[in-house]
Amino acid sequence: GIQVEQSPPDLILQEGANSTLRCNFSDSVNNLQWFHQNPWGQLINLFYIPSGTKQNGRLSATTVATERYSLLYISSSQTTDSGVYFCAVEQGNYGGSQGNLIFGKGTKLSVKP
Amino acid sequence: DTEVTQTPKHLVMGMTNKKSLKCEQHMGHRAMYWYKQKAKKPPELMFVYSYEKLSINESVPSRFSPECPNSSLLNLHLHALQPEDSALYLCASSQGGMRAFFGQGTRLTVV
Repeated sequence: GIQVEQSPPDLILQEGANSTLRCNFSDSVNNLQWFHQNPWGQLINLFYIPSGTKQNGRLSATTVATERYSLLYISSSQTTDSGVYFCAVEQGNYGGSQGNLIFGKGTKLSVKP
Repeated sequence: DTEVTQTPKHLVMGMTNKKSLKCEQHMGHRAMYWYKQKAKKPPELMFVYSYEKLSINESVPSRFSPECPNSSLLNLHLHALQPEDSALYLCASSQGGMRAFFGQGTRLTVV
């Protein structure tokens, strides 16, 4: 099956700093999403981005499907950005997407005041 | 309304009990999912329902029994669980395998 690797596994930032999280995947995908899991376990969908670039406030994401990676940029980080960031993919297939996502191990982000 | 609601938020059950987890969405999504997440691990897919039919079962033990009564509801029936089944159980929905929305989860403890 498809492999999803995220880096770095842990990241500590001072409030106001910028960061880049990376997601590499081993095969073609027809679905790639970024999630933020807060300390209470809630998974928030940040981006659905199987290809291209999207921006949402201080967050932006880029997926280069041909090179099998995606990047999540966080600018001007805030303490509320703390938590675990997951990349999740669905392996490409001719039957279309069913949404069965395979998650990477995540990047644990801690933003200090 | 981009919300998936799960009940209960917390559940403690004995190994001989029968309980059910419930999930509801009103976004008109036709795909619904159950995931299991152990501490400090990523979520792992258990079941996928598409148009109220079970389309994917990721080799989950039969002590977990999913049910989709209608397009808005998804249940997970639990019976004879083991302590190692203690985890956060997450429900999600999406439209055509696109952006997935997750509920807050049920924290299950099996004693």
